[in-house]
Amino acid sequence: GQNIDQPTEMTATEGAIVQINCTYQTSGFNGLFWYQQHAGEAPTFLSYNVLDGLEEKGRFSSFLSRSKGYSYLLLKELQMKDSASYLCAGMDSNYQLIWGAGTKLIIKP
Amino acid sequence: GAVVSQHPSRVICKSGTSVKIECRSLDFQATTMFWYRQFPKQSLMLMATSNEGSKATYEQGVEKDKFLINHASLTLSTLTVTSAHPEDSSFYICSARPTGGHTEAFFGQGTRLTVV
Repeated sequence: GQNIDQPTEMTATEGAIVQINCTYQTSGFNGLFWYQQHAGEAPTFLSYNVLDGLEEKGRFSSFLSRSKGYSYLLLKELQMKDSASYLCAGMDSNYQLIWGAGTKLIIKP
Repeated sequence: GAVVSQHPSRVICKSGTSVKIECRSLDFQATTMFWYRQFPKQSLMLMATSNEGSKATYEQGVEKDKFLINHASLTLSTLTVTSAHPEDSSFYICSARPTGGHTEAFFGQGTRLTVV
């Protein structure tokens, strides 16, 4: 079956760095997405990885290892506004997104 | 990035009535649009995949006669919740991917439906 696993909740301190891990099992693979979702709002796109390695985009970076079925989202210089849920989604061979349950990130001053 | 407009953002309706939610891609064409439901503190749950000009594909457990989906053009899909019940109260979100590429999915703003 298809499955996406990520931690339910994480806590970090303002100004620090946090890494949110995601492991995936999909029928075929066409990429791994990360989305940010604030409470009561729709998700917004953060990153897309289809090749192994690290993609850096400002304070956010995303890493993919296809052989390990593993990805992580790295957030640097954390700000209070980064408090949100972070959704990991794998795209299968039919280009359908398989969603994780999301990781709620709590930022403390 | 591309814009997906979803309307209304909030709606309150009485039990037994029907509610229509619109999802429009404003600056791109989308052969396929997706409808999700999200309950509090839970992940997105795919309800159905809407294909322009053909019948929608519903996920297991989603009643197609209750959640009517129409994808009449390459820029518009609608979801109608028929005979709404309080348990249908949820956050409904549509997303669309531009035709021709497996790029990121763009999401509408979501619709908070409350059935009283």
